[in-house]
Amino acid sequence: ILNVEQSPQSLHVQEGDSTNFTCSFPSSNFYALHWYRWETAKSPEALFVMTLNGDEKKKGRISATLNTKEGYSYLYIKGSQPEDSATYLCAFTGGGNKLTFGTGTQLKVEL
Amino acid sequence: EPEVTQTPSHQVTQMGQEVILRCVPISNHLYFYWYRQILGQKVEFLVSFYNNEISEKSEIFDDQFSVERPDGSNFTLKIRSTKLEDSAMYFCASSEELTEAFFGQGTRLTVV
Repeated sequence: ILNVEQSPQSLHVQEGDSTNFTCSFPSSNFYALHWYRWETAKSPEALFVMTLNGDEKKKGRISATLNTKEGYSYLYIKGSQPEDSATYLCAFTGGGNKLTFGTGTQLKVEL
Repeated sequence: EPEVTQTPSHQVTQMGQEVILRCVPISNHLYFYWYRQILGQKVEFLVSFYNNEISEKSEIFDDQFSVERPDGSNFTLKIRSTKLEDSAMYFCASSEELTEAFFGQGTRLTVV
């Protein structure tokens, strides 16, 4: 059974704060690491797909890094806004075409 | 923008009844998936489908479950005899070759 873990489970920040959270995954048999953003009552939306050790990806105020040797990825949000409130899911693919999801980090950005 | 569509959005069914959840994946995608999320729990993989056959399935995907791509556009999940514990949000997703998956809005299944 693959273990993909995310921390923290939930996070409350103030508008304008920068924040980050972690996804850890098996470091063997790695193919890709995905980050998804999931707003309530909507479907998960892909943010990044990363495949190479040391990859860094950026989309607006959100960025992610990948360390496949030690099996972790960080997601950063700079200057959080209320519209960033969502659950952030990471998912690991290890050679097959199945995404194994973490439990998610629920982010709430308050005014 | 192309999207994955799922119908119905809500389904209430009696225990023991069969249900079919429908999905229309993005047209040029080759890989199709079903996931589910039981309330308060994490998103769980059920099955992936490629080239008209199941490529991977989880231990959840037992003989009560089946998938079909009957007409080249729809991708269906059938649960033959529903149990209370099948109540969940069911998400269909599709992707090109091993890239990001695009998810539908989900079908909320309630078994009573």
